[in-house]
Amino acid sequence: EVQLVESGGGLVQPGGSLRLSCAASGFTFSRYAMNWVRQAPGKGLEWVSSIRGGGGSTYYADSVKGRFTISRDNSKNTLYLQMNSLRAEDTAVYYCAKDDCGADCNSHCDYWGQGSLVTVSP
Amino acid sequence: DIQMTQSPSSVSASVGDRVTITCRASQGISSWLAWYQQKPGKAPKLLIYPASSLQSGVPSRFSGSGSGTDFTLTISSLQPEDFATYYCQQGHSFPLTFGGGTKVEIK
Repeated sequence: EVQLVESGGGLVQPGGSLRLSCAASGFTFSRYAMNWVRQAPGKGLEWVSSIRGGGGSTYYADSVKGRFTISRDNSKNTLYLQMNSLRAEDTAVYYCAKDDCGADCNSHCDYWGQGSLVTVSP
Repeated sequence: DIQMTQSPSSVSASVGDRVTITCRASQGISSWLAWYQQKPGKAPKLLIYPASSLQSGVPSRFSGSGSGTDFTLTISSLQPEDFATYYCQQGHSFPLTFGGGTKVEIK
């Protein structure tokens, strides 16, 4: 059974940093690209970032480019999102999601974590 | 960037009704389209990918159609557990983009 468990969310002041982790199990982690998708309170879904299976290729939404860094440790089956220079508009539930496409492509998410709430507020 | 436009933004329907949701891409995406269902406080669930292929375990009352720029999600006979918000998402190119969502409410 595929499981994705996020951790690391919480309350942070504007300009602060936070690192989210996503522990994966139930599939061969390195064989799949992974994604972060967020949802602001009462709003729709927004893609944040993706990383290919080997970790060599990363992609970001313009809204987070230069502030967020996606990475993965295939030896630990763990996905990360380092978030720096946080803003109020980054407040959201952050979902880790497995991409169904494979290691070297991204298209859609077939499994999602339960989400981790990040609140950016003074 | 490819913009995804969903309509309607909300629909009120009764159990047993047929419900159709449309999604339009700002440029052609072939069949690189996914549909998700999200219930309050829960993560999204993948229903359909690509455009018309039902995921394993998804009830057959759900169906998807379309290619290029115009897509539809149809629920043939709405059940109580189908009241939720539905999102389309294009997987053709980065940035991956979602439609704004369609909330299916009880009439």
